[in-house]
Amino acid sequence: NAGVTQTPKFQVLKTGQSMTLQCAQDMNHNSMYWYRQDPGMGLRLIYYSASEGTTDKGEVPNGYNVSRLNKREFSLRLESAAPSQTSVYFCASSDWGRGRTQYFGPGTRLLVL
Amino acid sequence: KNEVEQSPQNLTAQEGEFITINCSYSVGISALHWLQQHPGGGIVSLFMLSSGKKKHGRLIATINIQEKHSSLHITASHPRDSAVYICAVIPNYGGSQGNLIFGKGTKLSVKP
Repeated sequence: NAGVTQTPKFQVLKTGQSMTLQCAQDMNHNSMYWYRQDPGMGLRLIYYSASEGTTDKGEVPNGYNVSRLNKREFSLRLESAAPSQTSVYFCASSDWGRGRTQYFGPGTRLLVL
Repeated sequence: KNEVEQSPQNLTAQEGEFITINCSYSVGISALHWLQQHPGGGIVSLFMLSSGKKKHGRLIATINIQEKHSSLHITASHPRDSAVYICAVIPNYGGSQGNLIFGKGTKLSVKP
């Protein structure tokens, strides 16, 4: 099993460009999450999907959209990238239910110029 | 004020030393997680606690719900333990959806 996979691993964008970060899990988990990690700050939740067909905003959703394509896949889209979105993005998944262990992908390092 | 505070922020130890990393939180919780982020960036879950103590190899995690405090101990530390250790809590207030709130992490460096 690959666990949680993310593509791409690294991306450079110019301000105003758009891109989609892809995430897939093969653990049959119901819940999936997108986080960003910035220097000096803890991981912050951007969006999550408690189950297939549902998505909800997290702590820092502005400038992002998500799609839960199916049970396996959860994508994060930046419609018009800004330098403030330079960050490392992590996708995670877990079984449904409060407090379940989350399994993280390897991360995507994004630089917006 | 952050809801989850970790101390110290940075920690340097000699191989073999006993290490303690602390986590304090200000909200009621249903569970607490300890995670490890490797120098390469990958994040893995070490423990999930709702009471008492858990042990896995040289790692021990404890939690005191009344004092809103948890500790992660590493016995006989080794250079391969060098990583960032992250505390995260699941708040039990309404509307939290069971999502994690993360501390900023403790960067541990173990010297040979």
